[in-house]
Amino acid sequence: DQQVKQNSPSLSVQEGRISILNCDYTNSMFDYFLWYKKYPAEGPTFLISISSIKDKNEDGRFTVFLNKSAKHLSLHIVPSQPGDSAVYFCAASPYNTDKLIFGTGTRLQVFP
Amino acid sequence: DTGVSQDPRHKITKRGQNVTFRCDPISEHNRLYWYRQTLGQGPEFLTYFQNEAQLEKSRLLSDRFSAERPKGSFSTLEIQRTEQGDSAMYLCASSLGSQGETQYFGPGTRLLVL
Repeated sequence: DQQVKQNSPSLSVQEGRISILNCDYTNSMFDYFLWYKKYPAEGPTFLISISSIKDKNEDGRFTVFLNKSAKHLSLHIVPSQPGDSAVYFCAASPYNTDKLIFGTGTRLQVFP
Repeated sequence: DTGVSQDPRHKITKRGQNVTFRCDPISEHNRLYWYRQTLGQGPEFLTYFQNEAQLEKSRLLSDRFSAERPKGSFSTLEIQRTEQGDSAMYLCASSLGSQGETQYFGPGTRLLVL
């Protein structure tokens, strides 16, 4: 039972353009959402998070949007840079526990 | 700036052997988490601690797995009688301690069971 889904295993974007990574969830008890970036042979690196009481959070080039009615969130990276090439994981935390439930990841490649 | 550290970074063992991994969290963090990641999947929650108390364990954590955090600082994850299916990246994370606090991950320990 995959409670957090990232349906696009890969995405390729030209440098300077916008990257949009999507994530869907099924559990209404999730109230905190995070995006992590992961390079090979390293642990996930925290990027940005959003609480369920908000619908948007922005940090520099990264913006996360949350649509609770659709149980959907997205990560926008503008402008995309070659150094953004990595695997991006969406994660969610239920309100009554501290564990994170991860999606399967989307591999982003930013080409010149 | 000392982040989360894990030791060893790599471990190769034969089936049936026991292995132990160590995690040192960020110093002021009182919550510590263990996750496991296999190829093509996202990290899967195993267990977490608030100080020395183990608060939650996943059903993934069979009786061959045991985790401890005896003094509320570093933690160990032991796998007894390893199986080939235990081959994975074992990730440790820590956070300040209340729900909604960001979890910061270590570099992981990659286990290969032959």
